[in-house]
Amino acid sequence: DAKTTQPTSMDCAEGRAANLPCNHSTISGNEYVYWYRQIHSQGPQYIIHGLKNNETNEMASLIITEDRKSSTLIRPHATLRDTAVYYCIVRVREGGGADGLTFGKGTHLIIQP
Amino acid sequence: EPEVTQTPSHQVTQMGQEVILRCVPISNHLYFYWYRQILGQKVEFLVSFYNNEISEKSEIFDDQFSVERPDGSNFTLKIRSTKLEDSAMYFCASSADRGSGNEQFFGPGTRLTVL
Repeated sequence: DAKTTQPTSMDCAEGRAANLPCNHSTISGNEYVYWYRQIHSQGPQYIIHGLKNNETNEMASLIITEDRKSSTLIRPHATLRDTAVYYCIVRVREGGGADGLTFGKGTHLIIQP
Repeated sequence: EPEVTQTPSHQVTQMGQEVILRCVPISNHLYFYWYRQILGQKVEFLVSFYNNEISEKSEIFDDQFSVERPDGSNFTLKIRSTKLEDSAMYFCASSADRGSGNEQFFGPGTRLTVL
């Protein structure tokens, strides 16, 4: 799996959009970008994934640059409950789905009241 | 909304004892995983399981570890002879079949403390 680079921590004001960057300059053509988050003492939670088009779901939007070397996760209208570690993971999305996820250190997003 | 459940939430054991951590994956999922997270460290993949056999395992998953799906609902992780360094949060996860990709859904974890 391609390596990813994320800032160690970020602050965001409550009610504002939280924009979390991720660099994945060595991404391959068949690798997807996945985002998970881990709220303190809980299990990781899937957020969103994408290949090259921008994606949006009920949790967030994912913006992938045209060259696919970086992406941004956008959590609109962040609340205090969005304080968590956010992980950007790049991996091949095989049909089998049996591969383990490789978590890095992620970005610790702190939502300030 | 369906969810992965794990029991117990906290397990305390003596070094050298065997422990079994239990998980009930989401009912229509076919792929099952165990991860661990030592306090203050990254989440680490241990093993994946499909069709009643191990699909992939990491270097951490040595002979002290085993997994089993004893019936149609439970998925267990056994540590044969626990060591102090096995103290960690253990997360079970599951994902759906081949057509749905591999978004993994995690349980709340079991905190294992080895004394």
